[in-house]
Amino acid sequence: GAVVSQHPSWVICKSGTSVKIECRSLDFQATTMFWYRQFPKQSLMLMATSNEGSKATYEQGVEKDKFLINHASLTLSTLTVTSAHPEDSSFYICSARDLLQGRMGEKLFFGSGTQLSVL
Amino acid sequence: GEDVEQSLFLSVREGDSSVINCTYTDSSSTYLYWYKQEPGAGLQLLTYIFSNMDMKQDQRLTVLLNKKDKHLSLRIADTQTGDSAIYFCAETGEGGTSYGKLTFGQGTILTVHP
Repeated sequence: GAVVSQHPSWVICKSGTSVKIECRSLDFQATTMFWYRQFPKQSLMLMATSNEGSKATYEQGVEKDKFLINHASLTLSTLTVTSAHPEDSSFYICSARDLLQGRMGEKLFFGSGTQLSVL
Repeated sequence: GEDVEQSLFLSVREGDSSVINCTYTDSSSTYLYWYKQEPGAGLQLLTYIFSNMDMKQDQRLTVLLNKKDKHLSLRIADTQTGDSAIYFCAETGEGGTSYGKLTFGQGTILTVHP
């Protein structure tokens, strides 16, 4: 099946710094990617929908200035956590949609996630 | 908004069947999914069912959907210790080009005892 590569797998940073997380679709073009956040022992919450060549659509309560999303190509979306604080520590995971291949229901592919720890 | 609820914990003995339950509120759900997450890892799609189906079987996995009650279940036959993980139920209420925004349940922690 299709592969989505997410990098880095884990990152530790100091409070106030910015961290960039990459999500790449390796063997398909993804005009749309999704970013989720998962706090410990909680479910995944959709943060935003990333659209290639246009602005991301953020879910209610997600600060767009804090979580910058750039989807500059058909295979890459980046999430930048700006001025990170300890409360931003979380597991971030992306998914990409391949509309061209596979049956409906099988068109979503997840990255392996990024564990962010802000000191 | 949409809501998906799951039981939080399930403990079974190796070789027994596991049944993980999920309820959802969005009557326009088109696809319902079961994902598996192992510690520190991403999500692995186990199986999914389209909303016009009642049942889907895939090797050891059986998914039952009661659309009237908005109830979804995942049965794992002959559960093994390697099945220990967190299982997420998820739904998408959107099809077509809007497809892909998932609403997840809280996850069920499955523990398999030898």
